[in-house]
This record gives sequence, C-alpha cells and structure tokens, in this order.
Amino acid sequence: RKEVEQDPGPFNVPEGATVAFNCTYSNSASQSFFWYRQDCRKEPKLLMSVYSSGNEDGRFTAQLNRASQYISLLIRDSKLSDSATYLCVVKSSGAGSYQLTFGKGTKLSVIP
Amino acid sequence: NAGVTQTPKFQVLKTGQSMTLQCAQDMNHNSMYWYRQDPGMGLRLIYYSASEGTTDKGEVPNGYNVSRLNKREFSLRLESAAPSQTSVYFCASSEGLVTPSEQYFGPGTRLTVT
Repeated sequence: RKEVEQDPGPFNVPEGATVAFNCTYSNSASQSFFWYRQDCRKEPKLLMSVYSSGNEDGRFTAQLNRASQYISLLIRDSKLSDSATYLCVVKSSGAGSYQLTFGKGTKLSVIP
Repeated sequence: NAGVTQTPKFQVLKTGQSMTLQCAQDMNHNSMYWYRQDPGMGLRLIYYSASEGTTDKGEVPNGYNVSRLNKREFSLRLESAAPSQTSVYFCASSEGLVTPSEQYFGPGTRLTVT
C-alpha cells in the first residue's frame, strides 16, 4: 500500500461547484498534515495545514480523521483560479529521523 | 525577499556529465531539502539538511551528493548523469525540521539527460 494515496482525478467541475478531494495515509505515527497547491509547471505552495478539529480558510475546509487515517479538502464555490493540482502531504518524525511524504496529487480543472 | 532561488532553470546534459544545482534561501531558515518530481510519481525527497553542517539521505539519494555550504545555500551534485535522472528538481526550505512548519519551494530546475 502506498504511503499517501489521493483520488486519481482529474476533476473537471463548473464554476461555482463544490468539489471534495480525499487522501489516505498508511503511517499511523504521522503527526502533521497539509494540503499544497501546485500550478502547472510551478512549484508547490502551502494551501493550508490540517488540524485535528478540522479547519476552514474562506472557501476551503480541511478535515482529518486519525482513526481512519483520512484527510479531505473541500472547495466551495469553485473559481477558475482554483484550477491546479492539489497535493496531500503527511509528515512523520521522531528519533532524529524525518519524513515528509507527498501524494501524487489530484488535478482540478474549473470550467467556465 | 526573493524566498528560495534555484539555478539553473533548465539544463540538458549528456549521459556521464556532471553538474551542480544551486539553491539559496534568504528567510534565515534552518532546514533545506532537495526533491525530484516525475510524472506519476509525485515529489520524492533526495537529501535534506536539518541545520547548517548536517545532511541526511532521503528516499532516493543514489546518484546524488549534497553540500550545505552555509545557512543560506544547499547544492545538489550529479557526478555522472544518467537518463533516469531526467526530472524536475525542487529545492525547499523551512524554519525547522521537527516543527510542522511550512516548506517554501524554489521555482525548480528542469533537467534532461540524453
């Protein structure tokens, strides 16, 4: 089983739609969780961290379910500018080691 | 603030040639990283440096070496390039290794090995 798995996509949605991305992780010792956004031929940039209680940033809502080892990202009222690839990122660390694992990403295209 | 800068942006090498990818950050970050990104594979960590003077292997270190020249600069060297090293290389930095701080990425270097 891959360490971080995401919906394969691509997701093609009309403007104004609500879209949800899912991500599962296999390492139960994972400590921190993030969603990054990557535009075509650009570098990844942090979209939001994911907190245990769930968190919201404008139109974006992130949820974490540690028991099911599952993370989600919900985008409401999609804009054309939301078109990008969304990367689920899981961080594990301990005993001097470090591991930040990126999912392969889910591509979103918002259509006029 | 330039953030994280990388040079060169593009490079074509022949098999067996060597080259060094340069990375610098101006955010006074302690930790720096090198990743490669291949289609269908996602980002994979090559090497990282928790702090000035230390480096450690990541997931895919074979064929690469790194140098943390000072707090600002972290270079990646390919001693004898192979076609399998054709990829997009990203450098990143963060305040620290253990704290869940954001990683800031450079614009990437697109490397083709023929």
